[in-house]
Amino acid sequence: KAGVTQTPRYLIKTRGQQVTLSCSPISGHRSVSWYQQTPGQGLQFLFEYFSETQRNKGNFPGRFSGRQFSNSRSEMNVSTLELGDSALYLCASSRSDGGGSYEQYFGPGTRLTVT
Amino acid sequence: QKEVEQDPGPLSVPEGAIVSLNCTYSNSAFQYFMWYRQYSRKGPELLMYTYSSGNKEDGRFTAQVDKSSKYISLFIRDSQPSDSATYLCAMRVTGGGNKLTFGTGTQLKVEL
Repeated sequence: KAGVTQTPRYLIKTRGQQVTLSCSPISGHRSVSWYQQTPGQGLQFLFEYFSETQRNKGNFPGRFSGRQFSNSRSEMNVSTLELGDSALYLCASSRSDGGGSYEQYFGPGTRLTVT
Repeated sequence: QKEVEQDPGPLSVPEGAIVSLNCTYSNSAFQYFMWYRQYSRKGPELLMYTYSSGNKEDGRFTAQVDKSSKYISLFIRDSQPSDSATYLCAMRVTGGGNKLTFGTGTQLKVEL
């Protein structure tokens, strides 16, 4: 069974640009969550989608947005990039909407560098 | 103060040692507790998953949850150089979706 896949794996962008990252969950998983990982702040929750609906949102500015498609694939978008957005962006998928005891599995991440 | 506190290390132990990793938390609503292992430049890999208080064992790994003390632990027996990684504790509430709150991670090095 294939794991969570994320594309692209590496990305270099310039301040002010926008970027779109993609995540394909494990087959059969309908929940996709996104996290930002930085050396200073660790892993921080961005948002979660379940059945194309955003269920949870972390404490990030509106420049960070996401969506989920009917096949459960998800994208996140960051507009007007800032230097501080340089990070590893991880997505995690789960079979459940959080109501039961189901694990979450992470993808390898997309490393975004903003110059 | 962060909701989940974890000693960042680094922690260095000789091969074969028993390793103890710990997290404390402040939110009593946390019900699900996880340990992830993350190798450099990779995504976190789920090691252990427990619900509420108690112990869970899987091979060389044992996870313990003490909700009365708001304290969770991961023990690694017979540690190997391949266990060298960053260990992250994570937890979530019931009914709050899949949002995980993470500790900062403990960097472990197992030396030959």
